Amino acid sequence: NAGVTQTPKFQVLKTGQSMTLQCAQDMNHEYMSWYRQDPGMGLRLIHYSVGAGITDQGEVPNGYNVSRSTTEDFPLRLLSAAPSQTSVYFCASSYSRTGYGYTFGSGTRLTVV
Amino acid sequence: QQQVKQSPQSLIVQKGGISIINCAYENTAFDYFPWYQQFPGKGPALLIAIRPDVSEKKEGRFTISFNKSAKQFSLHIMDSQPGDSATYFCAALETGTASKLTFGTGTRLQVTL
Repeated sequence: NAGVTQTPKFQVLKTGQSMTLQCAQDMNHEYMSWYRQDPGMGLRLIHYSVGAGITDQGEVPNGYNVSRSTTEDFPLRLLSAAPSQTSVYFCASSYSRTGYGYTFGSGTRLTVV
Repeated sequence: QQQVKQSPQSLIVQKGGISIINCAYENTAFDYFPWYQQFPGKGPALLIAIRPDVSEKKEGRFTISFNKSAKQFSLHIMDSQPGDSATYFCAALETGTASKLTFGTGTRLQVTL
């Protein structure tokens, strides 16, 4: 099925551990983004990419790294997990700069203990 | 600082009633205003969107009203149904950015029988 696939759906990490959240889309979208969703704060942009090889920081980039080696994949790396990174993470992609047609994945719920 | 302010935080409406959610923004460079609907355990999904050169846009039971001078926009859900119970987010996109959406904090809507 066409769409944005995120893995894993759930993850528990210990403080200081590292991990990679995977995101893949099969719609040939140029624009991809990572957001985190916290209660009462809406969705906040972590990193985004406008095409393969091009990434930039969003509103809350600290503690996260991204790369975009292919159009399809946009992984998010947590370098040294902290309890403040407990959140639900969403990957999204779009064919348009306006974000119209923005498709979100189903999310990864991450808990850092 | 919240660039897009959304209210109310939660809303209870009877079936058949009108649900109204309001958003306000400060950044006059915003030029695209989408609304997203999110069901529990799912990613947000685009519901309807408007540009500032239009004062109103209607799609089925969903209407966006936009007041450029007041820098406010709102979502009206007519004939609200229990299936509309979800969290709604307004968002805004800044001119010259690439899919960098700024989200409101969300409104949890419950439609009762």
